[in-house]
Amino acid sequence: SQTIHQWPATLVQPVGSPLSLECTVEGTSNPNLYWYRQAAGRGLQLLFYSVGIGQISSEVPQNLSASRPQDRQFILSSKKLLLSDSGFYLCAWRGGYRGRTEAFFGQGTRLTVV
Amino acid sequence: GESVGLHLPTLSVQEGDNSIINCAYSNSASDYFIWYKQESGKGPQFIIDIRSNMDKRQGQRVTVLLNKTVKHLSLQIAATQPGDSAVYFCAENKGPNNNDMRFGAGTRLTVKP
Repeated sequence: SQTIHQWPATLVQPVGSPLSLECTVEGTSNPNLYWYRQAAGRGLQLLFYSVGIGQISSEVPQNLSASRPQDRQFILSSKKLLLSDSGFYLCAWRGGYRGRTEAFFGQGTRLTVV
Repeated sequence: GESVGLHLPTLSVQEGDNSIINCAYSNSASDYFIWYKQESGKGPQFIIDIRSNMDKRQGQRVTVLLNKTVKHLSLQIAATQPGDSAVYFCAENKGPNNNDMRFGAGTRLTVKP
């Protein structure tokens, strides 16, 4: 069966520090991968998605970047965190032709920038 | 489009009543829609999906209705239970290859015992 791992679960980082969140998927190949951010009490904002190794689509210009060095690995990074980067970060994967399947989410990383 | 900057609308129902949660989507070319349930501190979980060639799909205690004319999606929950209390999101396939998935603003459902 397929599983998705996302870590860490919580993170407190000072302003200006770097960030690296990792997401890995097991039990499937060539998944579509996604990073979302959710502010407290609000909806999900799509940050990046990837349909293959090295292929990244960025949806919102901001202080973050994403990379997909391996088929089932998706990394969210920042060189210098801002206070506004605080939030709940969710990784998701989906398969199927042209994404016409449901997405499966990791348990999320709660990031607090102080 | 995405309404990530808005506070979530809320719906409060009595246990045992039926709930209807609505969602407006933005892209008339979207061809696949999903409803998710998110409990506090967790990632969203799949509830039910529907393709654009259908206007209704039923699951266990849930029904999704799709009205492509007005770009509207609804989730009906029968005999709502306290365990149904959560935030519910609709999502649509968007983008040139329908590979990106965008979420609506979400609705917080509270079930009163």
